[in-house]
Order: sequence, then structure tokens, then C-alpha cells
Amino acid sequence: EPEVTQTPSHQVTQMGQEVILRCVPISNHLYFYWYRQILGQKVEFLVSFYNNEISEKSEIFDDQFSVERPDGSNFTLKIRSTKLEDSAMYFCACGAGVNTEAFFGQGTRLTVV
Amino acid sequence: KNEVEQSPQNLTAQEGEFITINCSYSVGISALHWLQQHPGGGIVSLFMLSSGKKKHGRLIATINIQEKHSSLHITASHPRDSAVYICATKPLGNKLVFGAGTILRVKS
Repeated sequence: EPEVTQTPSHQVTQMGQEVILRCVPISNHLYFYWYRQILGQKVEFLVSFYNNEISEKSEIFDDQFSVERPDGSNFTLKIRSTKLEDSAMYFCACGAGVNTEAFFGQGTRLTVV
Repeated sequence: KNEVEQSPQNLTAQEGEFITINCSYSVGISALHWLQQHPGGGIVSLFMLSSGKKKHGRLIATINIQEKHSSLHITASHPRDSAVYICATKPLGNKLVFGAGTILRVKS
């Protein structure tokens, strides 16, 4: 069964450092998403990406964040100047269409110290 | 604002019991997803619904668009069903709006 692969599974970083979270979506999928889940809270939407551009973003997704699909297979989330409150599980997801099943990666647990 | 409410928050059942988890939402949607999250954190899609009912093995999901309500049923529950079950809706636009999840524990 096709799957979404996220790396690393766990990252610890110093406050103020930049991190890049990586995702390899399912190969023929066109819609890509990042979500995050702070410990004990709901999963919340960060950004959606289609046709090589951001299609929607939440108020959380400010200038500290950026996304990129650099080579047609990877989909990355960059967090500049990390803060303690960025500590969360970050999920990549993808879909073949707008209203199709969503496939999630296993998540990257980011810990900012 | 789209609110997604799940009940119950926590559910403990004996193996073999029939389980129902409910989800209510406040705005019109194009689809509703039921997801399963295991202790390691990974999320697995169970169903995507826009109307009616779907069945997969021991899992059944229903949705009533007029009442803005969906239910997830598990028949003949088993300890391996223990997980967090999450309802997520797709209102206008691309994103999913998540409920808080229902923590299910099935005891043998």
C-alpha cells in the first residue's frame, strides 16, 4: 500500500535554530498539507499546497514558516528561528484530489529546547 | 466558525461490545473523515464520507448531512481497537478541521 514518509521521526533543536521537516508524499498525489498537534491538543491545519504554490494557510503559518516542493518528490516544511511553542508533532498529508481520502505520514516530533 | 465536537471524550469497553462514537459539526461541509491515531502518534484514515453509510470490516460510519452529525461504530470490539478516534470535517476550502478525538480503550 502506498505510504507517506516523513523524516526525521524525532528532532530536538535549540531555540532560535532553523529546522526542515521532510515528507515524501504518494507519487501521483497532487494536494499536500502540513498539520501540527501540540501535545494534548487537537490536530490543527498549517498549510495546503497545490500546483507548486500555497493554496491556503492558517493564521499560525506566519513568516516563520515556509513550504517547498524542491524536486517533484519531496515536500518540506521549514521553521525559521524556532520557539519553545513550536514543539509539536508535525504531520504531512496528501490527497489525489480535493475531496478524496487523506493519507498521513507517521509524523515528526519536534522538540525545541 | 466551524466547530467539530466529539463524544464521548473517553470510552472504556469490554471486548466484544458494540461501540459508538459521535461527531457533530456546525457548518456545511463537503466531506467528513474518520481517522485513527495510535499511541505512537501516526494517523490512519478510516473513512471519508459525504453522505449515507460506509462499512469496512467491523467498522461502520454514517453521516446525516441535514443534522450535521456523524457516527463511527465498531462491532465486536477488540483490544487492538484501542486508539484515539478523530473526526475531521472539510468545509469550503482545502483544509481539514479536527475534533479533539475520543480515547477508546477496549479491555479483554
